[in-house]
Amino acid sequence: DSGVTQTPKHLITATGQRVTLRCSPRSGDLSVYWYQQSLDQGLQFLIQYYNGEERAKGNILERFSAQQFPDLHSELNLSSLELGDSALYFCASSVEDWGGSGETQYFGPGTRLLVL
Amino acid sequence: AQKVTQAQTEISVVEKEDVTLDCVYETRDTTYYLFWYKQPPSGELVFLIRRNSFDEQNEISGRYSWNFQKSTSSFNFTITASQVVDSAVYFCALTPISGGYNKLIFGAGTRLAVHP
Repeated sequence: DSGVTQTPKHLITATGQRVTLRCSPRSGDLSVYWYQQSLDQGLQFLIQYYNGEERAKGNILERFSAQQFPDLHSELNLSSLELGDSALYFCASSVEDWGGSGETQYFGPGTRLLVL
Repeated sequence: AQKVTQAQTEISVVEKEDVTLDCVYETRDTTYYLFWYKQPPSGELVFLIRRNSFDEQNEISGRYSWNFQKSTSSFNFTITASQVVDSAVYFCALTPISGGYNKLIFGAGTRLAVHP
C-alpha cells in the first residue's frame, strides 16, 4: 500500500458526460501528479500540482482540468467524454518538487474509466 | 528528445530462471533520474528503485538487481530465480532535470510471465 488513495476504483459512464476523479496524497506529500494509462498511448503524464498550484502540464486535453485543494487532495475533472478517454487514471504523490528534484512518485491504485 | 525504450514487449520464463529486462533511455540532460515500477495484474504501480545519473553503482535487493551503464544509456533490471509472483508488467521511467519539474517519462513496459 503506497498510502495514496484514489476514488472511485471503477467508473462507467456515457459519451458526453463529465466525471470527477479524486486523489488523496500520502501524508506529508505536497506534490500530486496525474497520469493516464491507455492501450495505445501507454503511461502519459497529464498534470502536476504542488501545494495547491499548478506546476507542470503534459499531454492533457482541454476538456480535462484538475485542481489541488488546501487539504492537498486533488481532483481530475474530465468533461465531454469520448470513447477514447477510456483508460486507467493514476494519481501519484511525492514529498516535494524543487527544480526537478527527481523525487520518487508513489502511485495510487488508479481509477478505471470506461466510456460507453 | 527524452525517451525510454523497452524493446522487449513480452518475456516468458519458467520459475527459477533468471531474467533480464532491458531499458534504454535518451536524454540530453547530464542530471536525470531513472526508475523502475512494477504493475502486477491487480493494476497498481509499485515503485522498485530510483537511481540518479551520478550514481553508476549497481544495486542488489534480494532477488532483484539493477545494472546502470551511462556509456550505453541503459538501466537493466535482473530478477534472479524468478517466481510466479514476479509476473507483472515492468516499466522503466526517466525524469530529466531540465524543465524544472518531475514528470516521469515511461517506457512501453515489458510484460513478464513466470510459469510454474
